[in-house]
Amino acid sequence: TQLLEQSPQFLSIQEGENLTVYCNSSSVFSSLQWYRQEPGEGPVLLVTVVTGGEVKKLKRLTFQFGDARKDSSLHITAAQPGDTGLYLCAGVLNTGNQFYFGTGTSLTVIP
Amino acid sequence: NAGVMQNPRHLVRRRGQEARLRCSPMKGHSHVYWYRQLPEEGLKFMVYLQKENIIDESGMPKERFSAEFPKEGPSILRIQQVVRGDSAAYFCASSAQANTEAFFGQGTRLTVV
Repeated sequence: TQLLEQSPQFLSIQEGENLTVYCNSSSVFSSLQWYRQEPGEGPVLLVTVVTGGEVKKLKRLTFQFGDARKDSSLHITAAQPGDTGLYLCAGVLNTGNQFYFGTGTSLTVIP
Repeated sequence: NAGVMQNPRHLVRRRGQEARLRCSPMKGHSHVYWYRQLPEEGLKFMVYLQKENIIDESGMPKERFSAEFPKEGPSILRIQQVVRGDSAAYFCASSAQANTEAFFGQGTRLTVV
């Protein structure tokens, strides 16, 4: 059973378009992280959100943590080919000892 | 300002041999997590260690797999008598405190032939 479900699983868009990736769960998390992974490399941490309703911006990327701390979204504005990669959300349960990873969203931005 | 260092990057082992994967956490980090990733799949938790202690090994197979994080030196993930199904990318992450944001190494890609 997957604790964190991401959607969509695959996304292919044209350069300049906007997109949103969702990370959903029925569990409450004390914090949630978003990572980006390129082929052959390890995941790179993009952001950590800890407060329900929190919004963080990283250049063209906007991250939101749901009010109930059960879900999160990643919005990319004016996507560029350099945004191509696997986007992973990961959360820590209030009573947990591990980071639970989402199923991943593979994004391809076509020039 | 070294990040999490894993070595080797690539490891080839014949069936039945032992594989040793090393992970040096970021400076100042005493919490280490090991994950396994198969092609086209997400990251699966294996084990969480804090200096000299295994905190959670619920994701690690009971047989052939072991992990340690000694007082001095890197964390080691050991796989004995490897089988083809062990072929995967193994990632290590470290954090400064328990369950705070974790930073990943570049992984070790194990191929069992």
